[in-house]
Amino acid sequence: QKEVEQNSGPLSVPEGAIASLNCTYSDRGSQSFFWYRQYSGKSPELIMSIYSNGDKEDGRFTAQLNKASQYVSLLIRDSQPSDSATYLCAVNVGTSYDKVIFGPGTSLSVIP
Amino acid sequence: NAGVTQTPKFQVLKTGQSMTLQCAQDMNHNSMYWYRQDPGMGLRLIYYSASEGTTDKGEVPNGYNVSRLNKREFSLRLESAAPSQTSVYFCASTEGGSGRYGNTIYFGEGSWLTVV
Repeated sequence: QKEVEQNSGPLSVPEGAIASLNCTYSDRGSQSFFWYRQYSGKSPELIMSIYSNGDKEDGRFTAQLNKASQYVSLLIRDSQPSDSATYLCAVNVGTSYDKVIFGPGTSLSVIP
Repeated sequence: NAGVTQTPKFQVLKTGQSMTLQCAQDMNHNSMYWYRQDPGMGLRLIYYSASEGTTDKGEVPNGYNVSRLNKREFSLRLESAAPSQTSVYFCASTEGGSGRYGNTIYFGEGSWLTVV
């Protein structure tokens, strides 16, 4: 079982809708959680990071973390066609802040 | 700003050949990584180096070796390439350092490796 799981895609939403991306992780010692976006043929780039339980908002993006449930999510409001990409959840492993592993990714398509 | 630079960008190898992927970062980062990406598998950690002089295994280290040559450079070597190692390889780095967590990981542009 992979240590970081994401909801299977592809996920399709109409333009202007809310896209919801989910991630679960197995290591209870994890402290750092990240969402990366990757366009086809490109390298991943950071969207948001979150370390404390609750919500963190940045523009149209909201990350939610629940350590008790070992769950982290990303909401994209007012989805745009330019948001069409693969979204990767990443988590540090236990007490090793430097060891960061990724989930399999969820492909999102925003339909105009 | 060069950021993370990896070479070569494309390579075709025959089964059993060896090669080294080179990576360098100019951001004075402590931690460096090698990931591989296969369709539907996301990024899988091969090896990482938390600081100059240290290396540790990731999720899929078999068939690979690494060298942290200095603070800037982190190379990945395939001693005897196999078709299963056909993948896109990403080098990455982050500020890291003792007690630091949650820093952004910056990626190189990727190296497309095909083993035939």
